[in-house]
Amino acid sequence: GAVVSQHPSRVICKSGTSVKIECRSLDFQATTMFWYRQFPKQSLMLMATSNEGSKATYEQGVEKDKFLINHASLTLSTLTVTSAHPEDSSFYICSASKGSDYNEQFFGPGTRLTVL
Amino acid sequence: AQTVTQSQPEMSVQEAETVTLSCTYDTSENNYYLFWYKQPPSRQMILVIRQEAYKQQNATENRFSVNFQKAAKSFSLKISDSQLGDTAMYFCAYSGAGSYQLTFGKGTKLSVIP
Repeated sequence: GAVVSQHPSRVICKSGTSVKIECRSLDFQATTMFWYRQFPKQSLMLMATSNEGSKATYEQGVEKDKFLINHASLTLSTLTVTSAHPEDSSFYICSASKGSDYNEQFFGPGTRLTVL
Repeated sequence: AQTVTQSQPEMSVQEAETVTLSCTYDTSENNYYLFWYKQPPSRQMILVIRQEAYKQQNATENRFSVNFQKAAKSFSLKISDSQLGDTAMYFCAYSGAGSYQLTFGKGTKLSVIP
């Protein structure tokens, strides 16, 4: 159990367009979902934390108007990169928490975004 | 703010040998959780092992074990009988008891040599 999926796995878009990435918990209800960004050979950088039905909490330096997060249900969160630019090209990873005592997060396989 | 430090950017080990990855952290909390995650070339994050700070006994999962030194704020990972499939980035992570957020170290790239 505790499987998290992400769609799409890869996306290429033109500069100025918007891209939506979906994150789903397949076999559990996620009380909290997280979105990370990872540059090549670097660690994961937390972008935002979202709870179902609430506005996402963004980390300092992350533009909330550029990275729109919607957590519409206990199994689905979406990240929309608006007006994408080449510098937004990166690997985006979501994770989900069951809210268990162990604070464990279950990670999706990631989405590689390339903005031309 | 909590910080996690992994001082070894890269390490290598011969197949079947043992290797230890270091991690230190800084926190003022008394209750927290520590994790080691593995990220193979596929980039899927996989939980290797976790430790609850209130437990004195070191966690063990098959070939993986930790040396948790709470007073020293140290949390090292030992991999025994290293296998080629252990080749990956390894991230140490911290989570406070009152928050589900994870703070990651910069990672250690481990290469297992045949």
